[in-house]
Amino acid sequence: KNQVEQSPQSLIILEGKNCTLQCNYTVSPFSNLRWYKQDTGRGPVSLTIMTFSENTKSNGRYTATLDADTKQSSLHITASQLSDSASYICVVSDDNAGNMLTFGGGTRLMVKP
Amino acid sequence: KAGVTQTPRYLIKTRGQQVTLSCSPISGHRSVSWYQQTPGQGLQFLFEYFSETQRNKGNFPGRFSGRQFSNSRSEMNVSTLELGDSALYLCASSLFQGRVTGELFFGEGSRLTVL
Repeated sequence: KNQVEQSPQSLIILEGKNCTLQCNYTVSPFSNLRWYKQDTGRGPVSLTIMTFSENTKSNGRYTATLDADTKQSSLHITASQLSDSASYICVVSDDNAGNMLTFGGGTRLMVKP
Repeated sequence: KAGVTQTPRYLIKTRGQQVTLSCSPISGHRSVSWYQQTPGQGLQFLFEYFSETQRNKGNFPGRFSGRQFSNSRSEMNVSTLELGDSALYLCASSLFQGRVTGELFFGEGSRLTVL
């Protein structure tokens, strides 16, 4: 069964600090891994998409890494801002499954002033 | 360019009733997928449509159904509502690219409360 596990479940950091969120997956055959940011009560917004051959991708202060061998990904947030407070969801796509994605439970990040 | 539009944004129903939710994808996007988000189960895939055909279906009971129209707009229906159907229902659209799916763009969701 395809699974995506995220850690930690929640995280509180001070504004300006960096943080790293983790994602482990068992999805086969692997197609791509995505990180989404979801503000409370809003729809998820894409941060990065990585395929098997990519191991790093950046989007502003967000940098995602992928290790396809160990089936692990991380999302690093640099110089956090109050607006980074949100849930971050790791999503993995099965090569044969179109948009039948497997979602992680998310990491709820709170950035405090 | 307009984003994915979902209506209604909020609705309250009672057990046993049925509900229909609507999704208008980004212009030019032919793939529409639906997801259910609850605090306990997180985000779960419901179904995906492309060119009016259901391409994939998640592990949900037959009370959950959907369809897509020729203009790519999609609706999902839940019949005989149960308390556990209370959730945020999200629709996403993408440019269909065969087996390698394109970026997904989500709507703001329809918040369903079943009393």
